[in-house]
Formats: sequence, C-alpha cells, structure tokens
Amino acid sequence: ETGVTQTPRHLVMGMTNKKSLKCEQHLGHNAMYWYKQSAKKPLELMFVYSLEERVENNSVPSRFSPECPNSSHLFLHLHTLQPEDSALYLCASSLRGRGGNEQFFGPGTRLTVL
Amino acid sequence: GESVGLHLPTLSVQEGDNSIINCAYSNSASDYFIWYKQESGKGPQFIIDIRSNMDKRQGQRVTVLLNKTVKHLSLQIAATQPGDSAVYFCAENGGATNKLIFGTGTLLAVQP
Repeated sequence: ETGVTQTPRHLVMGMTNKKSLKCEQHLGHNAMYWYKQSAKKPLELMFVYSLEERVENNSVPSRFSPECPNSSHLFLHLHTLQPEDSALYLCASSLRGRGGNEQFFGPGTRLTVL
Repeated sequence: GESVGLHLPTLSVQEGDNSIINCAYSNSASDYFIWYKQESGKGPQFIIDIRSNMDKRQGQRVTVLLNKTVKHLSLQIAATQPGDSAVYFCAENGGATNKLIFGTGTLLAVQP
C-alpha cells in the first residue's frame, strides 16, 4: 500500500453518463495529480493541485472536471466521455517543496467508456 | 522538446541474472530522475531516485546510473527474481518542481 487510495477500481460507463473518480491520500502531502495511462503510451499528466489550488491543466477536454476540496482528497468528474477516454486513471500525491518530486501513486481506476 | 524514451520496450532475462534497463532523456534542465515499477493491476511504485549532482545511487538490489553528458539513465537490478517482472518507467522533472515527465516503459520478463 502506498497511502493513496482510489475508488472505484473499475468503472464502465456510457457516453451520456456522469460519474466521479475519487482519490484520497493519507501521507500528509500537499500536492495531488491526475494522470491518464493508455496502452503503450507514457503517463499523461492531466491536472496538478498544489495546496488545493489547480496549478496545471494540460489541455484536458472540459468533459473532465477536477475538484480538490482539501489536501487529502481529489476528484475527477466525468461527463459525456468518448470511447477513446477509456484508460487507467491514476492519482498521485507528493510533498510540495521537498525538491525530490517523488510522487506516490494509487492503484488507479480502470475506466471503460462504451 | 521534452521527451523521455527507452531503448528497448521489452527485456527478457533469466532468473538470477542482472538486468539493465536504459532510458534516454532530452531535457538538459532536468535535475531529478526517478524509476518506477508497475505490476499488472497496480499503480507505479517508487524504486529509486537520483539528483543531477550524483552519477550513481544504490538501493537494495538496485542501482541507478546517471550520465548527464549523453543524457542517459539506467536501472540495474541485481539477481533478478520473478517478482521483478513488471513494467519499469523512468521519469525526469524537466527542471521544474512537482512535475514528472514519464517514458513509455520497459517490460521486464524474468524467465525461471
């Protein structure tokens, strides 16, 4: 266990559905991240939250909407997704300012869009 | 541009042998590098990291080597075990804080 949990672990949704992914870290970190992992592609950084403020949004479509209510929780709200959005969505956290940038990952949510 | 790449997408080794996984990076501003291991059905797990003021760092059965002259990073695993079978990713920070740029990964397959 890395101290970062994600729910659900698997999600199947239609293109018209609305769902949310949840991430929680128990490490006392103050930065949290969403990544998308597709087959045979590098991890793609989607969003970065530092001290609960969004500091990076890597040109992610608006059908993905992040929310960070506090430093321990991170959500990814999904609506009107496309089949090409099917992937493993990984959450990570780190301690900002530590300089090492080591990020701790959760187990991911396997998302399938029908 | 920023990119982190791997020389070999798949590496097959015999149990007990040493494994070497290579990684090339292109951003000379990167001053922090990290290796992750990802087993099937799990998220990436930290293995070892190294800062640019070092050229070698050792952990338990693993060693990371950094050659800044040719922008090359390698992960050496001693006495490879079946439990080492996984995808290994290298990542660089591009000189930024709280940012990692990942490569595509190398699949390490350990043959009994």
